[in-house]
Amino acid sequence: EDQVTQSPEALRLQEGESSSLNCSYTVSGLRGLFWYRQDPGKGPEFLFTLYSAGEEKEKERLKATLTKKESFLHITAPKPEDSATYLCAVPTGDGGSQGNLIFGKGTKLSVKP
Amino acid sequence: DTGVSQNPRHKITKRGQNVTFRCDPISEHNRLYWYRQTLGQGPEFLTYFQNEAQLEKSRLLSDRFSAERPKGSFSTLEIQRTEQGDSAMYLCASSFEWGDRVWIRGVNEAFFGQGTRLTVV
Repeated sequence: EDQVTQSPEALRLQEGESSSLNCSYTVSGLRGLFWYRQDPGKGPEFLFTLYSAGEEKEKERLKATLTKKESFLHITAPKPEDSATYLCAVPTGDGGSQGNLIFGKGTKLSVKP
Repeated sequence: DTGVSQNPRHKITKRGQNVTFRCDPISEHNRLYWYRQTLGQGPEFLTYFQNEAQLEKSRLLSDRFSAERPKGSFSTLEIQRTEQGDSAMYLCASSFEWGDRVWIRGVNEAFFGQGTRLTVV
């Protein structure tokens, strides 16, 4: 069964304290891995797409990496405005689905000044 | 604003009433998805359209739920005889895909709307 697991569930950092969020996945035939940011009461905001192992993408203080089994979202010198829930998603791998996303439960990041 | 638009943003309804939500996707996108999200969970897939064709429904989509996308533009999601368990955030997303089958290439990113928060009392 296709599955996405994110850890930790919650992460509290001091401003400037770098860390990483993990997303492990089980899917047959990975056709992309997506990272989204979600603020309370709002829809997910697209951050990155990774398509193959070894690929890396960067945006401001965020860097996403991908291996054959997991992805990491590295946050360098975070600021309070980086506080949000970060969601990881992969398209389903079974033959009946065409790109429908399976999401993890997310990591709720809090950055204190 | 050329993003995905959802209306209404909030809906409070009494149990047993019918509700309808609307989603306007990004204009050049041919694929439209509906997801449901409850507190502390990631979004869960409900259904999707490729143009006007509804190609898949999740088992989460009971007979009380129906979705349409006439003319392949906006979409509506209707819930009949609402139950308290239907309380959730309903999210719409859109993307552009080359044809019905995307096995040859990766899946393009989906862009989400702000969601409709449904509360059933």
